[in-house]
Parts: sequence; C-alpha cells; structure tokens
Amino acid sequence: DVKVTQSSRYLVKRTGEKVFLECVQDMDHENMFWYRQDPGLGLRLIYFSYDVKMKEKGDIPEGYSVSREKKERFSLILESASTNQTSMYLCASSYGTGGSYEQYFGPGTRLTVT
Amino acid sequence: GQQVMQIPQYQHVQEGEDFTTYCNSSTTLSNIQWYKQRPGGHPVFLIQLVKSGEVKKQKRLTFQFGEAKKNSSLHITATQTTDVGTYFCAGPTSGTYKYIFGTGTRLKVLA
Repeated sequence: DVKVTQSSRYLVKRTGEKVFLECVQDMDHENMFWYRQDPGLGLRLIYFSYDVKMKEKGDIPEGYSVSREKKERFSLILESASTNQTSMYLCASSYGTGGSYEQYFGPGTRLTVT
Repeated sequence: GQQVMQIPQYQHVQEGEDFTTYCNSSTTLSNIQWYKQRPGGHPVFLIQLVKSGEVKKQKRLTFQFGEAKKNSSLHITATQTTDVGTYFCAGPTSGTYKYIFGTGTRLKVLA
C-alpha cells in the first residue's frame, strides 16, 4: 500500500514563526502536492512538484514556499506564520507525468497560528 | 480561471434513502476523479472517469461523466451510515498536472 506520512498531526505556532511541514511518500511517485483545507472552501492547491527540485505554484502560493530535494520528500514552509494560515494542511502524491493518476493523501497536519 | 462547482454543499438523508451529488466544471475535462473523506480523515480516491458519457459502478455507488465532459455525478443507492463523509470531485487543469477540487458535498446519514 502507498503510504504518505506527514511530520505532525497537530501543530501550534506563534505569529511570525517560520514553520516547516514535512511530507514523505514511499511509492516513488513523481508528483507531490500541498493543499490546505478550510470549511466551505474544499481543497485548495498551494504548490506542487512533478520532479526533484521542480515546483510550480498552485492557486494560493502567497506566504508559502516549498522544497523538494529528494523524490520522496516534499516540504512546505511558512516563512512567517500568520493567523490566516491556521488551517488543515494535506500532502498528496501521485504517479505519472500526465497527472491522470489518483492522488494518495497523508493524514493531514492541523496548524494553529496564535 | 477554471472552476469546479459541487452541489449540494450539505445533504442529510435517512438511512436507506438515495443520495446524489453533482459536479460542474467551467471547462471541458480530460478526466474526472472522485474522492471520499470520512470525518476526521483524509480524502481517499474512489474512481476516475475518462470517456464521454462513461458510467461506472462500485456496489451501491454509480458514477457518471457527462457527454460534454463538463459535468459528473455520484449517486448512492440506499445509503448506509458508513457512507457518511464529504465527497469531492476533482478535474485536471488543461495542460498541467494540477487538479482542481470541488468544494465537496457533506453527507450525513440519519439512522
């Protein structure tokens, strides 16, 4: 079974802190994604990566950056956390360069910024 | 930009009743995926539809892709309490690897 793990289930940070969210997948997937999920807004794509060191902005990249130094690991960085970044963060991965493959999601990290 | 809309946002049904959620895209889709997220869980892939007019069944779940490949539906026959959760559709952005998710339909089943 594909396994996508995220470094923390719950995280509480203070405004202005730099926050790192880590995601690791064990199925040699090319594509990896970071979403945030807020009530009534569904899943919104922050960034995605289709190869090591390759990244593209999603729909809401402002205030975030990412890093993919190894194929299995995709990190989301909040350079200076703000209260409006309080949310559930979901990482996902998928096979294929065509993007027409199912996405496997991690358990999510619920981030609270105070 | 491309949008994927889902209706209804919420649906409460009595156990045994049928349920349908609809997904509409502002652009033609090469394929559409459906996911289910249980309360407190993460989205889990259910199915992918590729062909115009395609219909696929998984036990009590029936998925349909519209002829124009701009809409889709998920129908659950005789709902059970295990069907509780939020159902999302997702369609790819043309020419990219990005999928746009609908806002989801939250299903509650009353026993």
